[in-house]
Amino acid sequence: DAGVIQSPRHEVTEMGQEVTLRCKPISGHDYLFWYRQTMMRGLELLIYFNNNVPIDDSGMPEDRFSAKMPNASFSTLKIQPSEPRDSAVYFCASSPANGRETQYFGPGTRLLVL
Amino acid sequence: KNEVEQSPQNLTAQEGEFITINCSYSVGISALHWLQQHPGGGIVSLFMLSSGKKKHGRLIATINIQEKHSSLHITASHPRDSAVYICAVWSGGGADGLTFGKGTHLIIQP
Repeated sequence: DAGVIQSPRHEVTEMGQEVTLRCKPISGHDYLFWYRQTMMRGLELLIYFNNNVPIDDSGMPEDRFSAKMPNASFSTLKIQPSEPRDSAVYFCASSPANGRETQYFGPGTRLLVL
Repeated sequence: KNEVEQSPQNLTAQEGEFITINCSYSVGISALHWLQQHPGGGIVSLFMLSSGKKKHGRLIATINIQEKHSSLHITASHPRDSAVYICAVWSGGGADGLTFGKGTHLIIQP
């Protein structure tokens, strides 16, 4: 298996633009997680899905952020409009049946909002 | 919200030394994860613990639920073990039930 795939790997955009980050989980994994990592705040869980359904989005910082999982093999994290403080590395991870089991992380998307 | 403290924050050791990284938390948990983040930024999940001890190669992780404490040990350390080690705890349902420690920066010198 190719592991968790994220795209793009790097994104540079201007303030106010819409940003869409993509994730393909490992086939057969029922849980998908979106994380954000910054120097100031470290790693934070933004939202996670079970069987394509969002379970909890209490970690999403504000309404500018939205996440979808239209099918078992694809998820998006969208920021609209983007702001410089959104600059971070965004990781996607997937996990088999129990969400508290080992998680497999993607390589991350490094986002810079100018 | 759980408070997670890791120690030490930074650790430099010589190749071959036995390494211990500690993680303490303030509220009862359902699971604890140890993550390894390489200098290039990639994250690998090392262990998930809810009780006892787990071993994988030269890595050993232990947890004491009563004392709210976990340790990650590395035997016969090697320069390729140089990374940031992060402790994360689940203390409830929901995304805000997952709390991360700030990480331990480990450097193993040849």
